[in-house]
Amino acid sequence: QKEVEQDPGPLSVPEGAIVSLNCTYSNSAFQYFMWYRQYSRKGPELLMYTYSSGNKEDGRFTAQVDKSSKYISLFIRDSQPSDSATYLCAMRNSGGYQKVTFGIGTKLQVIP
Amino acid sequence: DGGITQSPKYLFRKEGQNVTLSCEQNLNHDAMYWYRQDPGQGLRLIYYSQIVNDFQKGDIAEGYSVSREKKESFPLTVTSAQKNPTAFYLCASSATGASTNEKLFFGSGTQLSVL
Repeated sequence: QKEVEQDPGPLSVPEGAIVSLNCTYSNSAFQYFMWYRQYSRKGPELLMYTYSSGNKEDGRFTAQVDKSSKYISLFIRDSQPSDSATYLCAMRNSGGYQKVTFGIGTKLQVIP
Repeated sequence: DGGITQSPKYLFRKEGQNVTLSCEQNLNHDAMYWYRQDPGQGLRLIYYSQIVNDFQKGDIAEGYSVSREKKESFPLTVTSAQKNPTAFYLCASSATGASTNEKLFFGSGTQLSVL
C-alpha cells in the first residue's frame, strides 16, 4: 500500500463548477500537507500549505485536513479553464529535514 | 527574476552514454533536490543536498550521481548504469531550518529520452 493515495482522474468539470480533489494517507506522523499545481510539461508550483488539521482558504482555493480520517482535500470554487492542470498532494513529518511524499496527481480539465 | 533554471529542456541519451542535467537557482536556498517523474507515479526523490559539498541519496539513487560545489548549482548525471532513464526530471530548492523544506520551488524540468 502506498503511503499517499490519490485518484489520477482525469476529472472533467464545466467552467464555474466546484471542484473537489482528495488524497488519503497511511502515515499518522505526517504533519505538513501541501497541494502543488503542475501544468503540462512544467514544474509543480506550491498552491496551498497547511500545518496539522483544519482549513485554509486562499481566494478560490480551500485546503482541508482531517487527520483523524487521514484525508486531505482541495476545493476550487468557480473553476476556470486556466485551472486545468494536474494537482499533486504532498505531505511530510515534522522536525528538521523530512522527506516530502507526493501523490501521483489528479488531472483536472475545466471545460469552457 | 528569482527562480530555478533547468537545462536543457529536452535531452536524448545514446546507449552507454552518461548525460548531465543542469540546475541553477538564484533564490539563495541552501537545499536542492532532484526528482524523477514517470507517468502514473508520484515524484520520486533521487538525491538531495542541504548544504554545499554535502549530498544524500534519495529513494532511487542507483545509476545517478550529483555534485554540489556551489550553492547555486546542483547538476545531475545520469550514468550508463541507469537502465531505464526515460523520464521527466525536476530540480527543486528550499530554504533550510525547521519546518521549511515542504515549500519546494521547482524548475521547469528536463525530459530525458533514450535513442
